[in-house]
Amino acid sequence: GAVVSQHPSWVICKSGTSVKIECRSLDFQATTMFWYRQFPKQSLMLMATSNEGSKATYEQGVEKDKFLINHASLTLSTLTVTSAHPEDSSFYICSARGTGATYNEQFFGPGTRLTVL
Amino acid sequence: AQSVTQLDSQVPVFEEAPVELRCNYSSSVSVYLFWYVQYPNQGLQLLLKYLSGSTLVKGINGFEAEFNKSQTSFHLRKPSVHISDTAEYFCAVSATGTASKLTFGTGTRLQVTL
Repeated sequence: GAVVSQHPSWVICKSGTSVKIECRSLDFQATTMFWYRQFPKQSLMLMATSNEGSKATYEQGVEKDKFLINHASLTLSTLTVTSAHPEDSSFYICSARGTGATYNEQFFGPGTRLTVL
Repeated sequence: AQSVTQLDSQVPVFEEAPVELRCNYSSSVSVYLFWYVQYPNQGLQLLLKYLSGSTLVKGINGFEAEFNKSQTSFHLRKPSVHISDTAEYFCAVSATGTASKLTFGTGTRLQVTL
């Protein structure tokens, strides 16, 4: 139980294009999902908290107009990197908060490797 | 706000030897504590967690950790490591009572060799 998937697992795009990453909770409903960014050999940095049916809460320093987050259903949140540039290349990981007994846990997706050329 | 310190960026160890990965945290409120493992190009997998109760927590793959409130520590231990334990390990903290966000440490690379 508590499986989170991400799609795509990796993507290469040209500078200036937009890329959408999907995060799905496969066997539970997630009212809250989180988006993280991880640079090589570094820790995870929280980008934003996504709540179903409401606007995402972005961490300080994260451009909300560049990283668009939509949490339209209880099983799907999307992160769109708009007008991507090489400096946006990174490993993006989502997580979903558990429910019931696992409410205080986050379940992580496998990550999406974004490379912007 | 919470913060996590993982003092060791890398820990080399021989197979079948014991290992301890250190984690200290700072918080003005009560916390939940977690250890995650990350294999190359993968997401995070929960090893174990401390929410309440017994301060000695046992997790998957033979790992355990002990919550020490007075020393604000949550060190991860394994009595005998395997080559397959080679990975990045992250300690994380969140405030209790609310479903709040995780704050991660910088990670410790465990390198197990023969």
